[in-house]
Amino acid sequence: DGGITQSPKYLFRKEGQNVTLSCEQNLNHDAMYWYRQDPGQGLRLIYYSQIVNDFQKGDIAEGYSVSREKKESFPLTVTSAQKNPTAFYLCASSTDRVDTEAFFGQGTRLTVV
Amino acid sequence: DQQVKQNSPSLSVQEGRISILNCDYTNSMFDYFLWYKKYPAEGPTFLISISSIKDKNEDGRFTVFLNKSAKHLSLHIVPSQPGDSAVYFCAASAHFSGTYKYIFGTGTRLKVLA
Repeated sequence: DGGITQSPKYLFRKEGQNVTLSCEQNLNHDAMYWYRQDPGQGLRLIYYSQIVNDFQKGDIAEGYSVSREKKESFPLTVTSAQKNPTAFYLCASSTDRVDTEAFFGQGTRLTVV
Repeated sequence: DQQVKQNSPSLSVQEGRISILNCDYTNSMFDYFLWYKKYPAEGPTFLISISSIKDKNEDGRFTVFLNKSAKHLSLHIVPSQPGDSAVYFCAASAHFSGTYKYIFGTGTRLKVLA
């Protein structure tokens, strides 16, 4: 059954620690994306990748890092430099066609205490 | 600068009536528009989309209208059902520097009253 898997669903970390959020897809999609959702601010793009070993910064990339070593995987690291890391993080993937939708994972709720 | 805007944060509609959700955009380079539905603590699910070369797309109870001259699109849900209660996001996509990305609005919370 194809889809996008984000793990874990809930994550707690102490302030000052780096944390990595997992995103895996078996849809054979070339493009993958990370978004952050905060109340009243919709979905804001953190990083995106169209191809393995290449990625671009989105609108709010500061304090985050990514890698794309495999087509299926696009992990997001929330570093200690991110000032407000507590949020709901969503991973998505799509084909490289213009007329196509992005498919989302179920999200990871990160709480930094 | 918010390129995709949903100016109504919430909307309440009686069951059976029409729900109209609106979205405005500023970038004329957008060539594909989408609507997503989202429940709390879940990922958004795709509802319906429209290409920039069309002005209407219909799928069952859902119809999306695009007015390119006004840079405006809307989602109509008829008839509205209690299960439609969720947050709806408008999104737009285009090529930026050789790669695609999706830009989302801030969402509209729809409540359908039984």
